[in-house]
Amino acid sequence: DSGVTQTPKHLITATGQRVTLRCSPRSGDLSVYWYQQSLDQGLQFLIQYYNGEERAKGNILERFSAQQFPDLHSELNLSSLELGDSALYFCASSAGPTRISSNEQFFGPGTRLTVL
Amino acid sequence: TQLLEQSPQFLSIQEGENLTVYCNSSSVFSSLQWYRQEPGEGPVLLVTVVTGGEVKKLKRLTFQFGDARKDSSLHITAAQPGDTGLYLCAGAGNAGNMLTFGGGTRLMVKP
Repeated sequence: DSGVTQTPKHLITATGQRVTLRCSPRSGDLSVYWYQQSLDQGLQFLIQYYNGEERAKGNILERFSAQQFPDLHSELNLSSLELGDSALYFCASSAGPTRISSNEQFFGPGTRLTVL
Repeated sequence: TQLLEQSPQFLSIQEGENLTVYCNSSSVFSSLQWYRQEPGEGPVLLVTVVTGGEVKKLKRLTFQFGDARKDSSLHITAAQPGDTGLYLCAGAGNAGNMLTFGGGTRLMVKP
């Protein structure tokens, strides 16, 4: 158990809908990262938050957004869903960007999103 | 853009055999991490290597970071069926701690 929790475990929805994925980082970790894993693309970095502020952005679509709240949990919002958005979405956390050891990221169990 | 190439993509071996997985890049990384992922679960961190030339051992697994910090290898001795899984390398740059993942090596160890 990494200490990172994600809900829900599975999500099935229809095209055009909007969903919210939730992540709670390990106790004490300030950074949260979101990744998308699909069969043909592997693990792709989406976005990072550190202590409530956006820190880095990857290949995140404009239809997707995220935020980190004062209690450090994070939410990833996916809107106007398309069939191609079906994937595993992982959240990871780390201590922060200031120490080498903080490069270590610990992953949650993921949310499997299926768009029909 | 930093890219990491892993090889081989797939590996099917018999129990007791040795194997090596490679992770290569043209970019320098401040650290490199190896993860193992089971189907439907999140990647689990195995090791982090930071110093060029560093070698770390985890039971039958040996991890090496290249001298120039651009490549890494994972060697498994006497593979067991329990080693079956997807092995991922991930490099961290100097800014933001964003990880760049390799495409993964899917290992199957047959009893």
